[in-house]
Amino acid sequence: EVQLVESGGGLVQPGGSLRLSCAASGFTFSSYWMSWVRQAPGKGLEWVANIKQDGSEKYYVDSVKGRFTISRDNAKNSLYLQMNSLRAEDTAVYYCARDQKQHAHDYWGQGTLVTVSS
Amino acid sequence: SYVLTQPPSVSVAPGKTARITCGGNNIGSKSVHWYQQKPGQAPVLVVYDDSDRPSGIPERFSGSNSGNTATLTISRVEAGDEADYYCQVWDSSSDLSLVFGGGTKLTVL
Repeated sequence: EVQLVESGGGLVQPGGSLRLSCAASGFTFSSYWMSWVRQAPGKGLEWVANIKQDGSEKYYVDSVKGRFTISRDNAKNSLYLQMNSLRAEDTAVYYCARDQKQHAHDYWGQGTLVTVSS
Repeated sequence: SYVLTQPPSVSVAPGKTARITCGGNNIGSKSVHWYQQKPGQAPVLVVYDDSDRPSGIPERFSGSNSGNTATLTISRVEAGDEADYYCQVWDSSSDLSLVFGGGTKLTVL
């Protein structure tokens, strides 16, 4: 059974940093692109970043470029999102998702809440 | 950047057909995916590559894509279909990014 379990969310002050993790199981992690998708309270879905199987390609939404870094450790079946210079508008539930053909997200984690507030 | 436009809400009576549109410039040339999200839950992929269904998704869910509009069609709507629906495309034309539509709230009357 495919499972994605996010962790690392919490309350952080503006300008602070946080590192999210996603533990994957039930599939060959190293064979798939992976993504982070977020959802602000009461708002729609927003793709944040994704990373190729070997980590050689990474893409980001414009609003997080230069502040967030996506990475992965295939030996640990884990995906990460390092978030720096956090802003109030980064407050959201962050989901880890597996990318299938044409980057359709066929499996999602349950999400981890990040709150940026003083 | 590429923009996807969805109607904020669609209402339909049980047993009828719901159609949710997703507009974008020449979207017919792209591969469109659709997600269902119920309150407090993670999204679920219901249609990918315009019209394919993942295993476990009822045949009542179907998709089409042509010109500037993609459409998710839900036949014989049930109360359990009430949810938010999002379209998504991979825009490889310029910024290499994934884009979601704003979402459509489907209400079953």
